[in-house]
Amino acid sequence: NAGVTQTPKFQVLKTGQSMTLQCAQDMNHEYMSWYRQDPGMGLRLIHYSVGAGITDQGEVPNGYNVSRSTTEDFPLRLLSAAPSQTSVYFCASSYTGTRFYEQYFGPGTRLTVT
Amino acid sequence: SQQGEEDPQALSIQEGENATMNCSYKTSINNLQWYRQNSGRGLVHLILIRSNEREKHSGRLRVTLDTSKKSSSLLITASRAADTASYFCATPGSNDYKLSFGAGTTVTVRA
Repeated sequence: NAGVTQTPKFQVLKTGQSMTLQCAQDMNHEYMSWYRQDPGMGLRLIHYSVGAGITDQGEVPNGYNVSRSTTEDFPLRLLSAAPSQTSVYFCASSYTGTRFYEQYFGPGTRLTVT
Repeated sequence: SQQGEEDPQALSIQEGENATMNCSYKTSINNLQWYRQNSGRGLVHLILIRSNEREKHSGRLRVTLDTSKKSSSLLITASRAADTASYFCATPGSNDYKLSFGAGTTVTVRA
């Protein structure tokens, strides 16, 4: 199993540009989520999904869109990038219900917005 | 806002020594998790402790939970260079699927 994969590993954007961060998992996990990690802040939840067609907002959803059309994929869209979105982004997945708790994380995408 | 906060922010120990870090949280929880992050990598799940458990072990890891004080501790015994990493506690937020992570404790194990 590849586990949780994220692409790209690094990205530089100009303010106002849009892009999609890709996340895929091959463990048949119902739950997928996106976090951002900033120095001294820990991880903050952006959006999450408990299954195809179901998404919900986390702690810091503004400026980000998600959709979940398949179990495997959970892309994160930045519609108009801002310097405040410079961060490291992590995707995670897990089973739901009583098997929810162990989160499997991807390697991260380091995004810089200039 | 973050539910959990780790203490200390950073810890430096000699190989073979024990490392202890703490996590305090604000609201009642039904479980608490600990994760490790090596530099430049994603987080790895270490252990989960439920609210009806006071102590749990996994290899060289020992986790305690005191719900009356809203705090948890992670002890790494006989530390190794490979234990150099950041350690995070995670607790459920407004629902179980909204995990909240603390800012982490950075542990450096010196050879």
